[in-house]
This record gives sequence, structure tokens and C-alpha cells, in this order.
Amino acid sequence: DTGVSQDPRHKITKRGQNVTFRCDPISEHNRLYWYRQTLGQGPEFLTYFQNEAQLEKSRLLSDRFSAERPKGSFSTLEIQRTEQGDSAMYLCASSLEAYGYTFGSGTRLTVV
Amino acid sequence: AQTVTQSQPEMSVQEAETVTLSCTYDTSENNYYLFWYKQPPSRQMILVIRQEAYKQQNATENRFSVNFQKAAKSFSLKISDSQLGDTAMYFCAFMTVSGGYQKVTFGTGTKLQVIP
Repeated sequence: DTGVSQDPRHKITKRGQNVTFRCDPISEHNRLYWYRQTLGQGPEFLTYFQNEAQLEKSRLLSDRFSAERPKGSFSTLEIQRTEQGDSAMYLCASSLEAYGYTFGSGTRLTVV
Repeated sequence: AQTVTQSQPEMSVQEAETVTLSCTYDTSENNYYLFWYKQPPSRQMILVIRQEAYKQQNATENRFSVNFQKAAKSFSLKISDSQLGDTAMYFCAFMTVSGGYQKVTFGTGTKLQVIP
């Protein structure tokens, strides 16, 4: 297990299209997080899973956003009807207890 | 709600010199963790150093050390013998673990440029 994997690394989509991102956490980590990072800013919390349960969603996560973590393993983040304001880096992280996050390389979304 | 403030958007340091990045935070929690993360240009964010709030001793990791002042809610990062590879965005982060739930709040970052 080499770390947190995110796919794709880059995604360019037309406004109004749906996109889905995937995150594969470190296998023994039961906690998984999605963050969004815009240029020059720190990551902003989107949502959190403990095993397969989604325990918190940020107000940033509008109705167009949905995240799942079936079977407590990989997670997907879907954005429906994308808008230009959705352009950002989407970061996934996983953790075990309070040792800090291990981040993936992120998925950079560009909505044109 | 917890907040993390990094008041230095950009800093520069000569190679081999020492630089200190500032961070303050606000919380009513007593049990928490503080982190510094490094994000090189177009690369993955990695953990640099971690500090438990209940520990008085400042954390160190090779050339990286922190000055943790709990009463002042200050958590600065000192980088000694700066290297070109230290050029990156540095994010201060706060984590509360109340109820077994971890949530990390990040500052806005400090862009550090190491000059040859």
C-alpha cells in the first residue's frame, strides 16, 4: 500500500456536465476526508467518513455534491451540473486515530 | 468553531539560513493537535511536524521545530539550514478529537521561497 490514491489527476469538463472522482485510502485507515482547495488558499473541509458512514457534511457541499464510501473502502465524490465556481483541487485524505492526515495528490477540476 | 490564522502570505529566506513561520489559532478545546503541512508546487501535501496540545515539550523533526505557546495559542514553525527543496506552501492546521471525531482546519498558508 503506497498511500492515498486519487483518480483522475486532472479533469476538464464543460459547465453543466457531471463528474465523479475516486479516492482509494490507505487500507488500514478507517477515516476518510474530502477537502477542496482553491488557488492560494488552504484546504476547506467538505465531508468525512468513518468506515462507510458519512458523519459530517460541510455547508460548502451543496445539493449538487454527493459522496459515498461503500463498504468502507474507496470513496467517490460526484458533482452534478458543474459550475465554473466548482473549479478547484479536490483533495482526499485518510487517517487512523489522531496521527494526522495522509493526503492524496488531488484531482484538479477545471470547468469551462 | 476553530480558526487558524497565518499572517504571513509570503516569505523568503536565503539558503542555509533559518526562517520562522507564524501561526495562531483560536479554540475553546483543551485537547487537540497541531500540524504543519508542506505543499510543494504541483505536488502532494505532506505532514512536516505534529504537536499534541497536552505535551509541553516542543516537537522537532530534523531541521524542523515548533514553538508551541498554548496560553498564547501560538504555533510557529522554525526551519533551520533552509534548503532549496523547502520551497513550498506551508499550512498550519488544527485538529480536535472530541467524541472520537477528527476534523482538521487549515490556515490560508505561507508561501516560502528559498533563495540560492
